[in-house]
Amino acid sequence: DAGVIQSPRHEVTEMGQEVTLRCKPISGHNSLFWYRQTMMRGLELLIYFNNNVPIDDSGMPEDRFSAKMPNASFSTLKIQPSEPRDSAVYFCASSTDMNTEAFFGQGTRLTVV
Amino acid sequence: SQKIEQNSEALNIQEGKTATLTCNYTNYSPAYLQWYRQDPGRGPVFLLLIRENEKEKRKERLKVTFDTTLKQSLFHITASQPADSATYLCALEDQSGYALNFGKGTSLLVTP
Repeated sequence: DAGVIQSPRHEVTEMGQEVTLRCKPISGHNSLFWYRQTMMRGLELLIYFNNNVPIDDSGMPEDRFSAKMPNASFSTLKIQPSEPRDSAVYFCASSTDMNTEAFFGQGTRLTVV
Repeated sequence: SQKIEQNSEALNIQEGKTATLTCNYTNYSPAYLQWYRQDPGRGPVFLLLIRENEKEKRKERLKVTFDTTLKQSLFHITASQPADSATYLCALEDQSGYALNFGKGTSLLVTP
């Protein structure tokens, strides 16, 4: 398996623009997680899905952030409108179930100028 | 919510020595705890999982302990090598049991 695949690897956008990050989890994994990592705050859980259903989105910082998982092999994280403080590395991870290890993608480094 | 504390200062040790990293948590005791390794520019990679009823877990040169009374886990790398240099993250399940919350990690530098 190719592992968790995220795209793009790098994104530079202007403030106010819409940004969409994409994730393809490992086939057969039924849990998917979106994290954001910054030097100041570390790795923060934004939202997670189980069997394509959002379970907890309390980590999503604002209404500008939204996430979808239309099927078991694809998820998106959208920021609209983007702001400079959204600059961070965004990771997607998947796992087979609760209480198991999480497999992370390579991350998307987002820079909002 | 659960607070997870790891040493923010980098740990510098000499090759061949044992590195010991600490993870402390507050509030509820999780059913399990995990350790991950993260290299620059890459996502975290799973190393070990230890359950609340396990005092110690080993994998090759790695050893993890879990003390639910102290609310602490220790992560040891014996016979450390420069290739062990990375950031090590501690992770605990959240109260729902579905997701992992991570500490900020401790940077380890092993010098020859």
